[in-house]
Amino acid sequence: DGGITQSPKYLFRKEGQNVTLSCEQNLNHDAMYWYRQDPGQGLRLIYYSQIVNDFQKGDIAEGYSVSREKKESFPLTVTSAQKNPTAFYLCASSRRGTSGRGDNEQFFGPGTRLTVL
Amino acid sequence: GIQVEQSPPDLILQEGANSTLRCNFSDSVNNLQWFHQNPWGQLINLFYIPSGTKQNGRLSATTVATERYSLLYISSSQTTDSGVYFCAVGSENNNDMRFGAGTRLTVKP
Repeated sequence: DGGITQSPKYLFRKEGQNVTLSCEQNLNHDAMYWYRQDPGQGLRLIYYSQIVNDFQKGDIAEGYSVSREKKESFPLTVTSAQKNPTAFYLCASSRRGTSGRGDNEQFFGPGTRLTVL
Repeated sequence: GIQVEQSPPDLILQEGANSTLRCNFSDSVNNLQWFHQNPWGQLINLFYIPSGTKQNGRLSATTVATERYSLLYISSSQTTDSGVYFCAVGSENNNDMRFGAGTRLTVKP
């Protein structure tokens, strides 16, 4: 089955701890993305990567870090510097990240709900 | 960056009714997608439609890129259509997508 998986589904963290969210895709997509969704809101971009070993900050990158060592994987670390990390985190991928009609259609994983206690 | 506005923010319908959701955007786009977010949070791809018209069963969408808007039509609505509908656009000047705030649709039996 092709698709995007995220783990864990639910995550609880104590204040001051770093935590890493997993995102894996087997669609052979070049580009991957991390979004944050707060209750009743749309999605906001945290980081994106168009190719292995390269990534760019989105609108709300502060307090987050990413790596892209493999094409299939784009883990997100929520650090203790993130002031309000409780949210729903969604990972997405697309065949390409740049313009090229049809190649930049994004597909989403099921998400991870992070709660800071 | 590109601005995305969706209307209405909330919509309540009786089962069987038709509806139109609107998405306005502020710049030229090379990507426009409509999503349905189900109660578990999963985003379901409805349409990839940077221009033109597409139909899929009871749903159809039209994007008029020159006038910077897109419309999502839902006909003969069912209770399972309930949820939040998002429009997301990618600008020709950026490599990311911007989401609107969504339209929350409630279909009553």
